[in-house]
Formats: sequence, C-alpha cells, structure tokens
Amino acid sequence: EDQVTQSPEALRLQEGESSSLNCSYTVSGLRGLFWYRQDPGKGPEFLFTLYSAGEEKEKERLKATLTKKESFLHITAPKPEDSATYLCAVLTDSWGKFQFGAGTQVVVTP
Amino acid sequence: DTGVSQDPRHKITKRGQNVTFRCDPISEHNRLYWYRQTLGQGPEFLTYFQNEAQLEKSRLLSDRFSAERPKGSFSTLEIQRTEQGDSAMYLCASAPQGITNEKLFFGSGTQLSVL
Repeated sequence: EDQVTQSPEALRLQEGESSSLNCSYTVSGLRGLFWYRQDPGKGPEFLFTLYSAGEEKEKERLKATLTKKESFLHITAPKPEDSATYLCAVLTDSWGKFQFGAGTQVVVTP
Repeated sequence: DTGVSQDPRHKITKRGQNVTFRCDPISEHNRLYWYRQTLGQGPEFLTYFQNEAQLEKSRLLSDRFSAERPKGSFSTLEIQRTEQGDSAMYLCASAPQGITNEKLFFGSGTQLSVL
C-alpha cells in the first residue's frame, strides 16, 4: 500500500534559523511529488512539483529536493510569515489521485 | 480565475441530521475532487469527477455519503444521518483537463461539526 510519512510533526524555529522538513514515501509508481502549504482554516496552496530523483525547485526561502525514497523541503532564514503546515503529497494514479502525508506544522517566532 | 468556492464555510449540525455542501470549481476545470481532513492529518481522498461522471470513490465513502456533479459544473456532497465521526474539514479541489500530473486548486473547505 502507498504510504507517505512526514517528519517532524511539528517544528518551532527562531526567525532566521534554517531547517529541513522530510517526506518519505513508498509508492508503486510515482508520477509526481507535490508540496503544499496550508494556513489555519484554509485549503492547501500549491508550492512545488518534483518528478524525478535529483530534481530541485526553489521559491523565495523554500527549496524542495527529491530522491528515490524521500523529499526534503528546506526553509532558509525563515520569517514569521512562513509559519504554516507544510503538506507533502504523491500522485500515483493516471487520473490524478493524490495521497497526502500528515504534514509538518512550522512555527517561526520573531 | 476566481478560485474554487465552497459553501458553507462552517456547518454545525446534530447527530442524525443530513447536510449538503456545495463546491464551485474554477470555470474551465473539468476535474473535481472531494477530500476530507481531520485535525492533525493530511487530506484523504473521497471521490473524483471528470465532467459529470463520478469515476472513483474511496472505500472511506460509506453509503451515507453521496456526491453529484450535474452538468459537469458545480458539485454537491451530501452526508445522511450524520455521526460525530463525520466531523472534519471537507475540501473540494479542481484541475484542468488533459495533463493529470498537475497541481490541484483547493477551496477553503467546509468545516463540519456534528454535535
């Protein structure tokens, strides 16, 4: 059965303190790995898609990387506005079914 | 692009009552998904429509749940005889036709509380 596991469950950072979030996956056929950001009371908001091992994507203070078994979301010099839950999802079916991890809740304090 | 719209944003109901949620996807999107999210968990897939056809349903979707998408536009999700375990955020997402390995656009969800 396809599985997506995110760690840590929660992360508290000081402003400017860089860190990484992990998403490990076991799927029969990966068609894409997606990172979403979710603010309280809102739906997930798309950040990145990665398709093959070795691929990297960057957006402002966020950088996502992909290996054959896991993905990392690096947060460089975070700001309080980066506080959110970060969700990892894998696409495993041709019609677009996503399996999500439980998320990492990130809190950045000034 | 006005985004995916969901109504209502919040719903409080008593156990045993029926509830219905509505989702209006982005206008040119023919793929529509329903997900359910409980506190501290990621979204779980419930069902998928391509145009008006419901092509996939999760085993999580019991007989009390029914979804429709008449004319391939908006969609409704109905829960009959609600139970306390149905309390969750119900998320709708849409995506355009064609390339299926593309991102989903999510609405802000309907938060259901069953008392």
